[in-house]
Amino acid sequence: KAGVTQTPRYLIKTRGQQVTLSCSPISGHRSVSWYQQTPGQGLQFLFEYFSETQRNKGNFPGRFSGRQFSNSRSEMNVSTLELGDSALYLCASSLEPGGADTQYFGPGTRLTVL
Amino acid sequence: EDQVTQSPEALRLQEGESSSLNCSYTVSGLRGLFWYRQDPGKGPEFLFTLYSAGEEKEKERLKATLTKKESFLHITAPKPEDSATYLCAVQDHFQGAQKLVFGQGTRLTINP
Repeated sequence: KAGVTQTPRYLIKTRGQQVTLSCSPISGHRSVSWYQQTPGQGLQFLFEYFSETQRNKGNFPGRFSGRQFSNSRSEMNVSTLELGDSALYLCASSLEPGGADTQYFGPGTRLTVL
Repeated sequence: EDQVTQSPEALRLQEGESSSLNCSYTVSGLRGLFWYRQDPGKGPEFLFTLYSAGEEKEKERLKATLTKKESFLHITAPKPEDSATYLCAVQDHFQGAQKLVFGQGTRLTINP
């Protein structure tokens, strides 16, 4: 079974631009979560989607948004990019929300903001 | 607020030298504690899930244990390929099912 896939793997943007990242979950998984990983803050939860609905959101500004499609694929958007948004963005999928269901991570998208 | 603290930050061992990594946590109600391994430039790879105090799980040279306040990842006779950053994360009953709170990780280096 294929794992979680994320595209693109690398991105370079300039301040003020916007960016869209894509995540395809493991087949059959319906819950998708997004995390930001930086050397200083580690892994931090951004948001979680299930059945095309955002179920939970972390402490990030409104510039960070996402959505989920009917096939469970998810996109994350960051508008008005800032230098501090440079990070590894990770997507994780799990079967169902609720319960301590294991989340499986993709390889991440490395975003560099210049 | 949920908190996860991992120690040490970095650990360097000789091949075959066993040791343990620590993960201390504070949560309102533990739904699950997870261990992941992360290699440079890659996403975290799932290792174990622990649900209740006293639970233990093993996989090859790794063994994870859980108490009410902390978890240990024991590494027995490690090999250079065990070098990676090991991440601990918790899920809280009250914070949303899929929100993982991570520790900062322990960077493990195994010298041949």
